[in-house]
Amino acid sequence: AQSVTQLGSHVSVSEGALVLLRCNYSSSVPPYLFWYVQYPNQGLQLLLKYTTGATLVKGINGFEAEFKKSETSFHLTKPSAHMSDAAEYFCAVSLNSGYALNFGKGTSLLVTP
Amino acid sequence: DAGVTQSPTHLIKTRGQQVTLRCSPISGHKSVSWYQQVLGQGPQFIFQYYEKEERGRGNFPDRFSARQFPNYSSELNVNALLLGDSALYLCASTLGGYREDTGELFFGEGSRLTVL
Repeated sequence: AQSVTQLGSHVSVSEGALVLLRCNYSSSVPPYLFWYVQYPNQGLQLLLKYTTGATLVKGINGFEAEFKKSETSFHLTKPSAHMSDAAEYFCAVSLNSGYALNFGKGTSLLVTP
Repeated sequence: DAGVTQSPTHLIKTRGQQVTLRCSPISGHKSVSWYQQVLGQGPQFIFQYYEKEERGRGNFPDRFSARQFPNYSSELNVNALLLGDSALYLCASTLGGYREDTGELFFGEGSRLTVL
């Protein structure tokens, strides 16, 4: 069965600092991996996804993630944090080819001035 | 273009009651999925429908049921509500076909259910 583990339920960074949100996956088949962002009282928005091909994936708002099979990781990074990046971030893996997703518990990102 | 729309946005029920939540997918999307998000947790998969047929079901009791209509809209029903059913219920749509679908789920803003 496919699952993801997000390390760190809360991450705090200073404005302008590197953002690193960690996600490790477990999958018996080549995974489809996703990062979603959720702002307060809103639904989820896709940041980026990995299906096949290039292992470095670029997403919206300056975020990117690298699929590392040897480390079973799909960490999310952004070189310089903005105040507007403060939100809840979820890593997810596709449960099956029907695109049902298994989400991690989420990481709350706080950006301080 | 309109995104995924859900109704109602907020509702309060008491234990033992029944609730129906509604979802309209993005125009052209034929697949609808339902997720439950308990406060402080990630969303959990409940159901997925494609072309009115159930494509997948998560680990939820039979009190939870859903259906998809010919216009691809969907309803989620929960019977005999428990306090633990209090959550944000998210609907997501995709194109649905295995060949044309990119795997990206487009989420609505959710229906927040409070059970007292």
